Amino acid sequence: GAGVSQSPRYKVAKRGQDVALRCDPISGHVSLFWYQQALGQGPEFLTYFQNEAQLDKSGLPSDRFFAERPEGSVSTLKIQRTQQEDSAVYLCASSPAGTSNTGELFFGEGSRLTVL
Amino acid sequence: RKEVEQDPGPFNVPEGATVAFNCTYSNSASQSFFWYRQDCRKEPKLLMSVYSSGNEDGRFTAQLNRASQYISLLIRDSKLSDSATYLCVVIPGGATNKLIFGTGTLLAVQP
Repeated sequence: GAGVSQSPRYKVAKRGQDVALRCDPISGHVSLFWYQQALGQGPEFLTYFQNEAQLDKSGLPSDRFFAERPEGSVSTLKIQRTQQEDSAVYLCASSPAGTSNTGELFFGEGSRLTVL
Repeated sequence: RKEVEQDPGPFNVPEGATVAFNCTYSNSASQSFFWYRQDCRKEPKLLMSVYSSGNEDGRFTAQLNRASQYISLLIRDSKLSDSATYLCVVIPGGATNKLIFGTGTLLAVQP
């Protein structure tokens, strides 16, 4: 389809493992966002890319979290040495414009991470 | 204090009822406001923007009170299909492009 695609949809990791979550945004979308959504909570901002530039990473909770978008299209969120508190749904969203002032982000279905 | 606060609910209402959700935001410089809808185990989707003059889209009315830093969503003639979580969303002022989401308010419309 033409929407935002995320993989894997479900990931179970043992505590201490590294994980990589992939996001394929809508073709041509300039802006790409990662959000973390814990059970019963709203999405929490992690980081923002405009093309390949990471313009805001203020929401990354620790240096175990790293995101990249090297060619301005596909993005990967990497979590090193996973902890139980990392268990959440990781949502990727894209928008066509350089800013998100239109308010419309197109979200993927998310990657549900469970850390045992 | 969270930047965007909502009553988490749940709001249990009968079909046909009118229900209102409220949201407050802490950053007085915030520029843009929205309501998103999130169905159970699905991704959030934009429901409507919120303008200072208020705006209506069918059974949905959104209003903004900048002086009180308060946003509302009114749903008239509730349908079973309106059952979802409604997320209040704010774009803070300044150079940031990030959307800040509230916790969400769960609405359950009963037959």
